[in-house]
Amino acid sequence: GENVEQHPSTLSVQEGDSAVIKCTYSDSASNYFPWYKQELGKRPQLIIDIRSNVGEKKDQRIAVTLNKTAKHFSLHITETQPEDSAVYFCAATNYGQNFVFGPGTRLSVLP
Amino acid sequence: GAVVSQHPSWVICKSGTSVKIECRSLDFQATTMFWYRQFPKQSLMLMATSNEGSKATYEQGVEKDKFLINHASLTLSTLTVTSAHPEDSSFYICSAGQSEAFFGQGTRLTVV
Repeated sequence: GENVEQHPSTLSVQEGDSAVIKCTYSDSASNYFPWYKQELGKRPQLIIDIRSNVGEKKDQRIAVTLNKTAKHFSLHITETQPEDSAVYFCAATNYGQNFVFGPGTRLSVLP
Repeated sequence: GAVVSQHPSWVICKSGTSVKIECRSLDFQATTMFWYRQFPKQSLMLMATSNEGSKATYEQGVEKDKFLINHASLTLSTLTVTSAHPEDSSFYICSAGQSEAFFGQGTRLTVV
């Protein structure tokens, strides 16, 4: 089955700097890669996703890149703000199957 | 986007009792729903896949007799934690959807 690794486990950046979180997956059949943001005690919220036929996607300060050959995808947050502080999870799935989540990255944006 | 509603949001129960958690898809039909468990500072771990009209599929290491799943309709799946113990205390969360995972609010279970 699918296995998703995520690095780093914790990340601290200064407000205004960029943050990058990387994930790798094992199942070449996976074709959908979402990123979720989870604040303490709350449900994960989808922030951006990418499908296997696309190499990059951007939404304002957030971007995701996908390298299918290497089986890795990354989340990029620019101009970080304190409200970006949360736990971020990547996930991989073969369309319609269950989502396999990475272990998470705790991002702290320091004012 | 689609909405998945989960109840209760938190529950405290005594050891040995059972607790039922509901997961509803409010504006779409879900033949499949997923139940996850999240321990503090850890990721979401899939417990089981709930299938409407048939038996749930449990992940390795998850006791099907302890975590009873019923998916009686296209909009409702329930997870019942039977004979709960303190080690069952966790954050339980359901999701539904195929092109995107829509999560319920989660249920924080504390067994005392």
